[in-house]
Amino acid sequence: AQSVAQPEDQVNVAEGNPLTVKCTYSVSGNPYLFWYVQYPNRGLQFLLKYITGDNLVKGSYGFEAEFNKSQTSFHLKKPSALVSDSALYFCADTNAGKSTFGDGTTLTVKP
Amino acid sequence: EAQVTQNPRYLITVTGKKLTVTCSQNMNHEYMSWYRQDPGLGLRQIYYSMNVEVTDKGDVPEGYKVSRKEKRNFPLILESPSPNQTSLYFCASSLGGLAVYNEQFFGPGTRLTVL
Repeated sequence: AQSVAQPEDQVNVAEGNPLTVKCTYSVSGNPYLFWYVQYPNRGLQFLLKYITGDNLVKGSYGFEAEFNKSQTSFHLKKPSALVSDSALYFCADTNAGKSTFGDGTTLTVKP
Repeated sequence: EAQVTQNPRYLITVTGKKLTVTCSQNMNHEYMSWYRQDPGLGLRQIYYSMNVEVTDKGDVPEGYKVSRKEKRNFPLILESPSPNQTSLYFCASSLGGLAVYNEQFFGPGTRLTVL
């Protein structure tokens, strides 16, 4: 069975500081991990994915994520947060068509 | 413009009155899926389809039906809606049938209220 956990409901950071949004997974077989972002009153937008290969994945808007197999984690990071990064972030795993999303983490970046 | 469209965007209905939410994609994607989003519960998958005439249950299929007669369309049917189906619904599509190598593209959402 697949499961994805985002242990923090809310993350607050100051503009210009680094940010981390955490995600851990539990899947049978290989993980296929994704990060999506949702702005208010909008659908989800793709940020980045890990399928195989390098553990550090770079994505849209300066975001990156590190896949750690031993810790079963796929944390989203950005070196310098912007106020416009404030949104709801989802981690997801997809396997053979079945998609499992975390509960989401609200990121607030304060000026 | 490549997109996933959903209609209607907003719907208020009453218990037991059958309704259909349409979803269409213009990207020739193999995979389509329906999700519901509820506060604190993230997105939960209702049904998905890896190709025409192939549909499978997600985590919360009870009370919903789907069909995939054409590649571009994947309607969600609520035969007898109940208040616990009040939610924000998203349709999504992905290039590959398994949706493991490619990201999903999401529609704008349909906010459904069942009284």
